[in-house]
Amino acid sequence: GESVGLHLPTLSVQEGDNSIINCAYSNSASDYFIWYKQESGKGPQFIIDIRSNMDKRQGQRVTVLLNKTVKHLSLQIAATQPGDSAVYFCAENIYGSEKLVFGKGTKLTVNP
Amino acid sequence: DVKVTQSSRYLVKRTGEKVFLECVQDMDHENMFWYRQDPGLGLRLIYFSYDVKMKEKGDIPEGYSVSREKKERFSLILESASTNQTSMYLCASSTFGAGQETQYFGPGTRLLVL
Repeated sequence: GESVGLHLPTLSVQEGDNSIINCAYSNSASDYFIWYKQESGKGPQFIIDIRSNMDKRQGQRVTVLLNKTVKHLSLQIAATQPGDSAVYFCAENIYGSEKLVFGKGTKLTVNP
Repeated sequence: DVKVTQSSRYLVKRTGEKVFLECVQDMDHENMFWYRQDPGLGLRLIYFSYDVKMKEKGDIPEGYSVSREKKERFSLILESASTNQTSMYLCASSTFGAGQETQYFGPGTRLLVL
């Protein structure tokens, strides 16, 4: 079955607020995680990644947090903008595999 | 920038037709993948390839085949299209080795089988 899941299927925020999107994973052997953004009618776009030897990684307006104790991953978007409206999903890579396991996604809607 | 292109954005076919979906990547990546994406089911792996002429079944290979004659090109073939193969098809590529597992996606092909 699906080993990567989501806590919320939809999230609605006001423009300028911070957004937090969550993801749970179940495989302890996963050592690499990626967040993707998928806009309507387009392919998934890489946002940020993190390895299991890190707890936090920051990019431009985005931060990924990894809690290995509870197998939880989150994506924080600062000062959310209308252009951030999309489906976000996480993916995990199990050590030694070339494959990724994807979550089903959270739809983020940013209200002006 | 990695670029993955897919031959068609939209495709309409009839039941029983043979369908070819083409994917090309320009980053000399070893690995290539075909997924289908359906509402509520997320991304499901159909087939992947580690190298030229090599292929591995993914989670849902039934009704599909693939071809990788050149490193940059990975084709998905629906031998006899059926209505339950109506879906969004996504191609992705990645390079080989630890630390390189990020997959880069093409824009997708939305296939409608009538």
